[in-house]
Amino acid sequence: GNSVTQMEGPVTLSEEAFLTINCTYTATGYPSLFWYVQYPGEGLQLLLKATKADDKGSNKGFEATYRKETTSFHLEKGSVQVSDSAVYFCALSDRGGSEKLVFGKGTKLTVNP
Amino acid sequence: DGGITQSPKYLFRKEGQNVTLSCEQNLNHDAMYWYRQDPGQGLRLIYYSQIVNDFQKGDIAEGYSVSREKKESFPLTVTSAQKNPTAFYLCASSIPGTQMNTEAFFGQGTRLTVV
Repeated sequence: GNSVTQMEGPVTLSEEAFLTINCTYTATGYPSLFWYVQYPGEGLQLLLKATKADDKGSNKGFEATYRKETTSFHLEKGSVQVSDSAVYFCALSDRGGSEKLVFGKGTKLTVNP
Repeated sequence: DGGITQSPKYLFRKEGQNVTLSCEQNLNHDAMYWYRQDPGQGLRLIYYSQIVNDFQKGDIAEGYSVSREKKESFPLTVTSAQKNPTAFYLCASSIPGTQMNTEAFFGQGTRLTVV
């Protein structure tokens, strides 16, 4: 079946550091890929998405590129802020949309001033 | 404003009792989902519904039940058969996956604690 593997956290960085959170996936078809962010005590918000190979999703300084050859969708940000502290989830959908999202286990990011 | 509303935010249940979590959306979405979140385990799908009066089991449906009598509402009942119900429950909705750029919208969650 489909699955998502994220790098395990927690990740602790200083403000303005470079962030990478690795995400790889296993899927039988051509999934859409997503990054969601969860702030403490809240639901999930879509951060960015990519629906086909080589697409780059971007939002709020975060980027991720859909790499079919390596089945990866790594999240990056060049300069993190304290306000980026949250839990980040990589997810895939195998029907081209958000149906039956399969999530990774989440990576907790803490950014210190 | 459009969105998904889950209530209550915090819920306490005695062992052996059934409890129902509310989820309402005004986004006019056809599809709705329930996920369970446990520390270190990500989100796991309990039930989903693509259309009114129809729903399917997800990966961990045992001990849960749902109904979808209205497009806007998808309540989840945690029954006494659920052996470990303490968790954070998230409801989501989306347009069904016929469009490539759909996304899921999530509610704020309900934290259920068995006492």
